[in-house]
Order: sequence, then C-alpha cells, then structure tokens
Amino acid sequence: DAMVIQNPRYQVTQFGKPVTLSCSQTLNHNVMYWYQQKSSQAPKLLFHYYDKDFNNEADTPDNFQSRRPNTSFCFLDIRSPGLGDAAMYLCATSRDRRRSGTDTQYFGPGTRLTVL
Amino acid sequence: AQTVTQSQPEMSVQEAETVTLSCTYDTSESDYYLFWYKQPPSRQMILVIRQEAYKQQNATENRFSVNFQKAAKSFSLKISDSQLGDAAMYFCAYRSDRETSGSRLTFGEGTQLTVNP
Repeated sequence: DAMVIQNPRYQVTQFGKPVTLSCSQTLNHNVMYWYQQKSSQAPKLLFHYYDKDFNNEADTPDNFQSRRPNTSFCFLDIRSPGLGDAAMYLCATSRDRRRSGTDTQYFGPGTRLTVL
Repeated sequence: AQTVTQSQPEMSVQEAETVTLSCTYDTSESDYYLFWYKQPPSRQMILVIRQEAYKQQNATENRFSVNFQKAAKSFSLKISDSQLGDAAMYFCAYRSDRETSGSRLTFGEGTQLTVNP
C-alpha cells in the first residue's frame, strides 16, 4: 500500500546532541511537510518542500533544518536539541500545493522525540 | 493571519448517537479550504472530510458531514451513528488559496471525542 513512513517511531537524544528524523513516501507526491506537535496541542508547520524548493516558516527556529535528497525521502535535522524540542514530529505529503483535489495532506505515524 | 478555534476541548457521545463538533475560523480571504482530521491514539492523522469555500453544498463522507456557514465562518462536523472507532482527537484545519501562504494548514486546538458503549 502507498504510504508515508517515519523512522524511528521513538527517538531519544541528549540535550545538545544532533538528531535526524526520517520520512519516506511511496505516493510519489511532489510536496513533503514537517510538523511539530507538542503534547495536547495542534500540529505546527515547520517547513515544506515543493519538489526541491525549500519553504521555511517564518517562526521556525534555525535549530531545525531539512533535506530532501530525492522525491521519496525527507529528513528533519535538529542541530542542538533543547528540552523544549521534545514533541511528536509529523511528516505529511501532498500531490500538489494548491490545486483542489491534489492538495490533501497525508500524514505519517509520527516520531516521538524525547530529549534528556 | 488566519486562526482556527475549536471551543470544545472534550466531547462525549453514546454509541449509535449523533454528535456535532464545532469549529470557527477567522480570515479575510474569500478562497480557502477547510478540513477535519482525526487523530486516534495511534497518532496517525487521517483526513475525514474537506470543504472548498467556493462550494455552497456541504461536504459529506458516509457518516460524516459538515455544516459550512461561510458568512458566519463556521465549519462544524457531524458524526452520525457514532462508533467506538470514532474515538479520537479531531482537528479542524484551514488552508489559504493564496500562493504566498504555501501549503500551510492552520489547525485548531482539537476536540477529544469519547464514544461510550
């Protein structure tokens, strides 16, 4: 089945130790998104890729970076995780960005990040 | 900036009965899209239903339907014949049609739905 896959499902890192979260998709979608969801809160968009075009949200901290080496994969890098970065990180994809019918976002199961 | 408000942090419903979840939003735009997403305890966000603002007809997907009131900026979700599997956090979301906004989904704070047997 076509899907959005996130690895690992649970990640533990130490304060200040770089960590990378992975997302892959078999949907062949053009757009990939990264959201941060803290406990009992709504997801918040960090950035997205439209093909290779990177789009950062204005309030996303510099500590967060992303890479998309090919259509299928997208990575979230946290350069120096702080305690406040502990959250669920959700990856999503959509076929396109705006045209009706192709903009539906499909989410992966998420990676729960713990910072010690 | 657009905002989405879900005024009911928690709701409960008896199995087989009907429940309505509320959502209001604030925008100055005329073209946009609205969504309801469901997030069960497994945490995978699943699209329930979507509505294009230019369509007057309310969207329906099986037991799920919306009441879209554009002038009132209201977008409620009705779940009919509630099932135990409907228990989840429900998020209302807004997406602008403006190119400059990219593809950002603006989510409400969510409503936790409990279905009682």
